[in-house]
Amino acid sequence: KQEVTQIPAALSVPEGENLVLNCSFTDSAIYNLQWFRQDPGKGLTSLLLIQSSQREQTSGRLNASLDKSSGRSTLYIAASQPGDSATYLCAVSPPYSGAGSYQLTFGKGTKLSVIP
Amino acid sequence: DTAVSQTPKYLVTQMGNDKSIKCEQNLGHDTMYWYKQDSKKFLKIMFSYNNKELIINETVPNRFSPKSPDKAHLNLHINSLELGDSAVYFCASSQGGGYGYTFGSGTRLTVV
Repeated sequence: KQEVTQIPAALSVPEGENLVLNCSFTDSAIYNLQWFRQDPGKGLTSLLLIQSSQREQTSGRLNASLDKSSGRSTLYIAASQPGDSATYLCAVSPPYSGAGSYQLTFGKGTKLSVIP
Repeated sequence: DTAVSQTPKYLVTQMGNDKSIKCEQNLGHDTMYWYKQDSKKFLKIMFSYNNKELIINETVPNRFSPKSPDKAHLNLHINSLELGDSAVYFCASSQGGGYGYTFGSGTRLTVV
């Protein structure tokens, strides 16, 4: 059974700092890994999707890396801003069955606070 | 032009009632899902439908019954609501295996 762990559970940093959020998973047989952002009382916003054959993806100030063999992913946020304050969730999917549907296994998230 | 929309956003109801949550996506995706986020913020899959066919049916009480009238809609009906059903329910959609998920904004269900 796949398990996803995110460390730390909470993180507080001053504005402008670069930071790294960690995600680890127990079963390296994944199809893809997705990072989401959740704001209080809101839905999940997809940030980055990394296919199992990829090593990293970048979007603006965000960079996500994937080391499938070791079961790890990191989300790097450069020059953090107060607007980055949210909970960041990591989710992995099992090998794709071709049935059109695949489930995500989520970590419990890292709650990030960026202090002005 | 919301991609995945759920209604209602909030739902407060008494124990024993029956309620429904509706979900619609305008992305043209073939697959839709229901996820539950409990009080500890842990997200877990409940159901998935692909082109109106039930694909994933996790271990949830049979008081929960999904219905997909077409591939753009997936509704969740809950019978005989219990206190433990209080949670945030998220609808999502995806297309194929490599394109990621799009989530709705969630329905916060409170059973009193």
